[in-house]
Amino acid sequence: KQEVTQIPAALSVPEGENLVLNCSFTDSAIYNLQWFRQDPGKGLTSLLLIQSSQREQTSGRLNASLDKSSGRSTLYIAASQPGDSATYLCAVSMIYNQGGKLIFGQGTELSVKP
Amino acid sequence: NAGVTQTPKFQVLKTGQSMTLQCAQDMNHEYMSWYRQDPGMGLRLIHYSVGAGITDQGEVPNGYNVSRSTTEDFPLRLLSAAPSQTSVYFCASTDPDRGGGYTFGSGTRLTVV
Repeated sequence: KQEVTQIPAALSVPEGENLVLNCSFTDSAIYNLQWFRQDPGKGLTSLLLIQSSQREQTSGRLNASLDKSSGRSTLYIAASQPGDSATYLCAVSMIYNQGGKLIFGQGTELSVKP
Repeated sequence: NAGVTQTPKFQVLKTGQSMTLQCAQDMNHEYMSWYRQDPGMGLRLIHYSVGAGITDQGEVPNGYNVSRSTTEDFPLRLLSAAPSQTSVYFCASTDPDRGGGYTFGSGTRLTVV
């Protein structure tokens, strides 16, 4: 059974710091991995999608890496801003061998202090 | 494009009532799914569908029914609401042939009293 773990559960940093959020998964037979952002009381916004054949994806100040063989992904946020404060969710897709299931980690709650 | 549209956004039900949460997508995605999000439990899969006429159970299917008569729509029915079904419900869709990235609706916040 696929399990996704995110570390740390919560993180508080001063504005301007570079930071790394970690995600690990137990079954390497994934189709892709997706990072989402969720603001309090809101829905999920997709940040980055990494295909199983890719090593990393970048969007602005965000960079996500994937090491499928070791079951790990990291989300790097450069020069953090208070507007980055949110919960970040990692999810792996088991499309072909489990019919479209998206399995989530518990999330990392990020607070960026001005 | 509207993406994934969920209605209603908020709903209060009495125990034992039934209702249908609506989900529609306009991206011609084959795969659709329903999740519930609860504090401390994260997002859990309720039911999913890989195409019109095909549905299957996820991790927490009890108390919920689904059907998929069209590619666009994937309604979630609560048969007899219970307080344990108080949650935030999210619908999502994807197309594995176009990268498989999921798009989520904005959610339905359901309270069962």
